[in-house]
Amino acid sequence: KNEVEQSPQNLTAQEGEFITINCSYSVGISALHWLQQHPGGGIVSLFMLSSGKKKHGRLIATINIQEKHSSLHITASHPRDSAVYICAAADYTDKLIFGTGTRLQVFP
Amino acid sequence: DAGVTQSPTHLIKTRGQHVTLRCSPISGHKSVSWYQQVLGQGPQFIFQYYEKEERGRGNFPDRFSARQFPNYSSELNVNALLLGDSALYLCASSRQGGRTYEQYFGPGTRLTVT
Repeated sequence: KNEVEQSPQNLTAQEGEFITINCSYSVGISALHWLQQHPGGGIVSLFMLSSGKKKHGRLIATINIQEKHSSLHITASHPRDSAVYICAAADYTDKLIFGTGTRLQVFP
Repeated sequence: DAGVTQSPTHLIKTRGQHVTLRCSPISGHKSVSWYQQVLGQGPQFIFQYYEKEERGRGNFPDRFSARQFPNYSSELNVNALLLGDSALYLCASSRQGGRTYEQYFGPGTRLTVT
């Protein structure tokens, strides 16, 4: 069993839909990262959180430390949101443990 | 400010050869981490360096080595290349030791081993 699990693996949506990507982890963490990866490989950091909830524009990330679970929400999805979304747990040995990613496609 | 830069962008090598990948962190960032991403999988941690010292090492063979220079740039070296080393190699920098600070990723170096 992977230490960081994401679901779903693939997700398609119509423009405007509300999207949720889930991440569960089994290790102790100091922080949980949500990252976005576009075709070609470039990775952009979206959020780093260790408790509660953060919001940037249409993106919202939440984390429940007790349940070892985090979610990434996208409101009013747009085709430009199409990408791979990856969650990564920063453990207490100073390294990131990545999930396998969720491939999101948003159609007009 | 410039972001994290990596060179080269793409590289093709033959089995048994060695390769050196380079990374320049964001100005002011003292920590550099290296990750390997095989096609279709999430990145895997290889090394972290902070203030020129190795702070962490992932589950990779001794063929993989790295170092950090006084200007905080870093090199990742891979010897005796195998087909399975074909991957996107990502470098990320952060202000300090990484675990509680946001990491900024470079564009990656795509290595193909034939």
